[in-house]
Amino acid sequence: GQQLNQSPQSMFIQEGEDVSMNCTSSSIFNTWLWYKQDPGEGPVLLIALYKAGELTSNGRLTAQFGITRKDSFLNISASIPSDVGIYFCAGQLSAGGTSYGKLTFGQGTILTVHP
Amino acid sequence: NAGVTQTPKFQVLKTGQSMTLQCAQDMNHNSMYWYRQDPGMGLRLIYYSASEGTTDKGEVPNGYNVSRLNKREFSLRLESAAPSQTSVYFCASSEEDGGYQPQHFGDGTRLSIL
Repeated sequence: GQQLNQSPQSMFIQEGEDVSMNCTSSSIFNTWLWYKQDPGEGPVLLIALYKAGELTSNGRLTAQFGITRKDSFLNISASIPSDVGIYFCAGQLSAGGTSYGKLTFGQGTILTVHP
Repeated sequence: NAGVTQTPKFQVLKTGQSMTLQCAQDMNHNSMYWYRQDPGMGLRLIYYSASEGTTDKGEVPNGYNVSRLNKREFSLRLESAAPSQTSVYFCASSEEDGGYQPQHFGDGTRLSIL
């Protein structure tokens, strides 16, 4: 099946630093999603990308949908302690009509922010 | 503002026992999903329901069954639990099947099989 490689697996940074993580795929996707998971909770959607080349921001978060449709990155600027958590990328290939848009997840990036 | 509600939050079973995980959403979404999350493997799709009355297998369906009881509820059943099914299970829902609508997740059920 489709594979998503997410890197890095973990990051330890100081408060105020910028963070960058990315996902690459062996197959193309029509939609890229970035989720954050806090301990004991389910993933929460951060950013959704719908077009190749699209660059979207949500506060201190910026994500891009790669031109080849096989990759995406997420940047977090000026990190703060509450940014701690696991970040997941997910790709969705929607075939339209009644076809199912299967969501494939990356392995996750564990982010630790030291005050 | 409940969104997706999963019950129970924690459960410990013995090998061979059966159990049903419950999921309900109040967003009037058509599609619902069950995932399992294991360390270092992200989330993997077990089963999904594109609309009320339909269910289909995902990536890892073996050992599980599902029921889409109505538009709001989608349950996951383990008929004979095995230690390999120890995991965190997430239910999710989305506006429509096959479209570009992101999935919204519950807070998970943490299941241990001894």
